[in-house]
Parts: sequence; structure tokens; C-alpha cells
Amino acid sequence: KAGVTQTPRYLIKTRGQQVTLSCSPISGHRSVSWYQQTPGQGLQFLFEYFSETQRNKGNFPGRFSGRQFSNSRSEMNVSTLELGDSALYLCASSLIGLVSDEQFFGPGTRLTVL
Amino acid sequence: GENVEQHPSTLSVQEGDSAVIKCTYSDSASNYFPWYKQELGKRPQLIIDIRSNVGEKKDQRIAVTLNKTAKHFSLHITETQPEDSAVYFCAAFEAGTALIFGKGTTLSVSS
Repeated sequence: KAGVTQTPRYLIKTRGQQVTLSCSPISGHRSVSWYQQTPGQGLQFLFEYFSETQRNKGNFPGRFSGRQFSNSRSEMNVSTLELGDSALYLCASSLIGLVSDEQFFGPGTRLTVL
Repeated sequence: GENVEQHPSTLSVQEGDSAVIKCTYSDSASNYFPWYKQELGKRPQLIIDIRSNVGEKKDQRIAVTLNKTAKHFSLHITETQPEDSAVYFCAAFEAGTALIFGKGTTLSVSS
């Protein structure tokens, strides 16, 4: 069974631009969660989607948004990029939820904002 | 909102020793507490978790204890091995809100 995949793996953007990251969960998994990882702030939870609905949300500004499609694939969008948005963005999938069963993480997308 | 404090930030032990990492949380409504291990350059991996209706859980050399009254939970690794070297993150979750992580503990096991 293929693992969680994320595209693109690396991305360079400039301040003010927007970016869309994609996450394909493990086949059969319906929950997708997104995380931001930086050296200074560590791991931070962005949001969780289940059956195309946002179920849980972390404390991030509205510039960070997401969605989930009927095939469970998920996208995360960051608008009006700031230097501080430079980070590794991880997604994770699980069968029914991040607290119901084990999450499996993808390799991440490394975003650099110049 | 929830706040999770994790200590120590770094921990060095000799192979075969035990390692203990402690986390405290602020929101008594939190009911799920996972621990993740992240090796250098790799993705996080869930290693053990505990729910608020359980006081202790073990899985081979790893155990987690939860004290709801004091609002703290701890990860215990016995008979440490070099492959246990990694960054360990604790987290606390309150249903309908968010998963809040501690800042991480870098564990180094020397042989």
C-alpha cells in the first residue's frame, strides 16, 4: 500500500505570493491533517479534514486554508506569504481521525519564502 | 487555549539507561495524549498514546503515564538503545479543537 504523498517536495516563493500544497492520503484513509514545522516553533497543528469537512482547527490566521476532495486528497493554501511562513509543511492521514487511529505522515513540503 | 510544556529540551543517556520525558498541559478538557518520535531528516511517527480514562500504557520498552489531577503525562523509555536517539514530541488534544504539541525533547543515546 502506497504511503502518504505530498507535492511539491520543495517550493520557493516570494513575499505576497500565494501557494497551494497537495496531500494524497493512504488509500482508504478519510482523515487528513496538516502541520507546520519550524526550528523555532516546533510542530504546530493547522487543521484536520474528514469527509470533505474541516473537523478541527489550530490557531493560525485566515491566510491558511484547506480543503478536502471526495477522494480524500487534500490541499492547503497560504495566501499573502510572509517570511515567517517558511517551514516544512507535513500532512498526515488516518482511517477515521487523528485521535481515533494512528496517523501516518507524508515526507513534507519544504516552503521557502524570500 | 491549551498549552503544553515539555521538559527537558535535551536529554543525554548511556545505552541501557532509562529516559523520562515529562509534559504538562493546561486544559483539563484535553482527553488524548500522543507521543511522536522524529529521527533526523525523517517524518514524525506515533510511538504511543494514552487517553484520559487510562492511567498507564505500555508497549515493550516504552510506557506512558498520565496524571489527570496534576495535568501531566510522561514518556518512559527503558533499556535505551542508540536507535532511540531522536526528537520526541508530546501533544494534547481536546475534541473539536486542536492538537497542541510540546516543543520537543532531543534524546541522545550514546553507546
